[in-house]
Amino acid sequence: EVQLVESGGGLVQPGGSLRLSCSASGITFSSYVMHWVRQAPGKGLEYVSTISGNGGTTYYADSVKGKFTISRDNSKNTLYLQMSSLRPEDAAVYYCVKGGFDFRSSYTVWGQGTMVSVSS
Amino acid sequence: EIVLTQSPGTLSLSPGERATLSCRTSQSVSSSYLAWYQQKPGQAPRLLIYGTSSRATGIPDRFSGSGSGTDFTLTISRLEPEDFAVYYCQQYSNSPGYTFGQGTKLEIK
Repeated sequence: EVQLVESGGGLVQPGGSLRLSCSASGITFSSYVMHWVRQAPGKGLEYVSTISGNGGTTYYADSVKGKFTISRDNSKNTLYLQMSSLRPEDAAVYYCVKGGFDFRSSYTVWGQGTMVSVSS
Repeated sequence: EIVLTQSPGTLSLSPGERATLSCRTSQSVSSSYLAWYQQKPGQAPRLLIYGTSSRATGIPDRFSGSGSGTDFTLTISRLEPEDFAVYYCQQYSNSPGYTFGQGTKLEIK
């Protein structure tokens, strides 16, 4: 069974930084494109970032470009999201999502999410 | 960016009834790259349909998807109590910034 477990969320002050982690099991992690998707309280789903299986290609939503960095450690089956210059509008549940073997695949498995709050 | 517009915003139906949810895209999307997700309160989204009409693993056959071009539909043939949730469509055709619709809330009448 595929499992994705996020961690690292919490309360941070505006302008602060946070690193999210996502531990994957039940899959050959390095074979899959991985994504981060977020959901602000009471709102819909918003794409955040994507990384290729080998980590060599990354994509970002315009709203986080230059602030967030996606990375992965395939030896540890772990996906990361380094977030900096956080603003209140970045507050959301952040989901780690498994894609497919290539970029043009649906989001097949979702983690349970980790909450990020941004407030002074 | 491809914009997805879902309608209605809220759909009120009773168990046993048929639900029809619409997703319209701002430009044509290949039918290979349209998905539907279900999200229940306090839970992560779950993939229901991919490639417009293929059910994901474990999804009951009362869920079906159809459409082409800019108009896509998710149909639930006979609503079960556990089907009341929020449903999102998503296109994954145009760059990895794959956009979602704003969601349709399916509530019990």
